[in-house]
Amino acid sequence: NAGVTQTPKFQVLKTGQSMTLQCAQDMNHEYMSWYRQDPGMGLRLIHYSVGAGITDQGEVPNGYNVSRSTTEDFPLRLLSAAPSQTSVYFCASSPLAGTYEQYFGPGTRLTVT
Amino acid sequence: AQSVTQPDIHITVSEGASLELRCNYSYGATPYLFWYVQSPGQGLQLLLKYFSGDTLVQGIKGFEAEFKRSQSSFNLRKPSVHWSDAAEYFCAVAPRSGGSYIPTFGRGTSLIVHP
Repeated sequence: NAGVTQTPKFQVLKTGQSMTLQCAQDMNHEYMSWYRQDPGMGLRLIHYSVGAGITDQGEVPNGYNVSRSTTEDFPLRLLSAAPSQTSVYFCASSPLAGTYEQYFGPGTRLTVT
Repeated sequence: AQSVTQPDIHITVSEGASLELRCNYSYGATPYLFWYVQSPGQGLQLLLKYFSGDTLVQGIKGFEAEFKRSQSSFNLRKPSVHWSDAAEYFCAVAPRSGGSYIPTFGRGTSLIVHP
């Protein structure tokens, strides 16, 4: 049982490049989400999903796309990277029934130059 | 809109001293309440949660938290801090009803432990 996995752990991009941050969970959780963490800002919700084929925007969705084709995977796409997207990105999952306890991945540290 | 306030950005304690981290929330009804810990370079891990019943909740690593409805607070405590407790601590709330599952996180409190 790996929990929530994220790849890569570190990434450096040039402005304008695109990339996909991968997130997978093996707990059969319906709810998955992406956060970015910046100093002094806490966790800000980018996008979330309550099941395969269903996604919605969070607090800071601009510049990011998501899709949810399976229960397990929830990739985050940066369409045209900007220095303002330099951050640490966390994926989280939780069951929809009961506790809403969030399970977090280890994070991806992204630098855009 | 719901909100979570952690009024202390940084807290410094000596090893062996007691600890209290504050959390206040603004919500229409009592939400589910959580404390998470983030060690350096790691993701967040659940410390404890409150759903109902006893307002004093025990968690992992010797932490406890007390829910006070009258003060809309859910403060985290530990009687004796260890150097390994140095980390970022996040309070979070989640709605009990209304079809929304999205938790709201506070901005975090950074705990510094002096030897």
